[in-house]
Amino acid sequence: AQTVTQSQPEMSVQEAETVTLSCTYDTSESDYYLFWYKQPPSRQMILVIRQEAYKQQNATENRFSVNFQKAAKSFSLKISDSQLGDAAMYFCAYRSPYEDTDKLIFGTGTRLQVFP
Amino acid sequence: EAGVTQFPSHSVIEKGQTVTLRCDPISGHDNLYWYRRVMGKEIKFLLHFVKESKQDESGMPNNRFLAERTGGTYSTLKVQPAELEDSGVYFCASSQDGADYGYTFGSGTRLTVV
Repeated sequence: AQTVTQSQPEMSVQEAETVTLSCTYDTSESDYYLFWYKQPPSRQMILVIRQEAYKQQNATENRFSVNFQKAAKSFSLKISDSQLGDAAMYFCAYRSPYEDTDKLIFGTGTRLQVFP
Repeated sequence: EAGVTQFPSHSVIEKGQTVTLRCDPISGHDNLYWYRRVMGKEIKFLLHFVKESKQDESGMPNNRFLAERTGGTYSTLKVQPAELEDSGVYFCASSQDGADYGYTFGSGTRLTVV
């Protein structure tokens, strides 16, 4: 079974600086989808970024980008020019296209604090 | 468009009582999912509806949990009787095209069983 590991329970960053949140996963599959979700204090989870494993190019969404290392099974999220509104829980998630299920497998999350 | 709506946002009940959580998905989304996060742990899948049918309920912890989706619109998740270990945040999500493109989540219901 696939697993997702987020080894950093908490991270902090100064406003305008860059921070990287780590995510590793375990799978024997060659194709899959990876996601980063953000849950601000208001608690609605928002999709930040999505990566398809067969695409070598790292996904980017404005200040958010990923470093996808398929061989290392690593999917880290880089937040550039951090803003106070980036403070949230961040969850990494995995989706298998092969299994007869539509579920996402999540990590335990990383709480990001942003200091002015 | 309106997002995924969940209510109540908080619920505190005593052990042994019954609680019903409700989720209204985005209009037109056939896929509806329930997830749960126990404090400090990962978010875990509970079940998936396609319209009114249960497509996958492999994550439902036991028979104290009952999920329904009336007419393929809103869904309810009933816990009866509630136990202390049921405490956590229950998330609902919906999607039009399935999980490959991610879901739209609601704000969650924080359930505390005392």
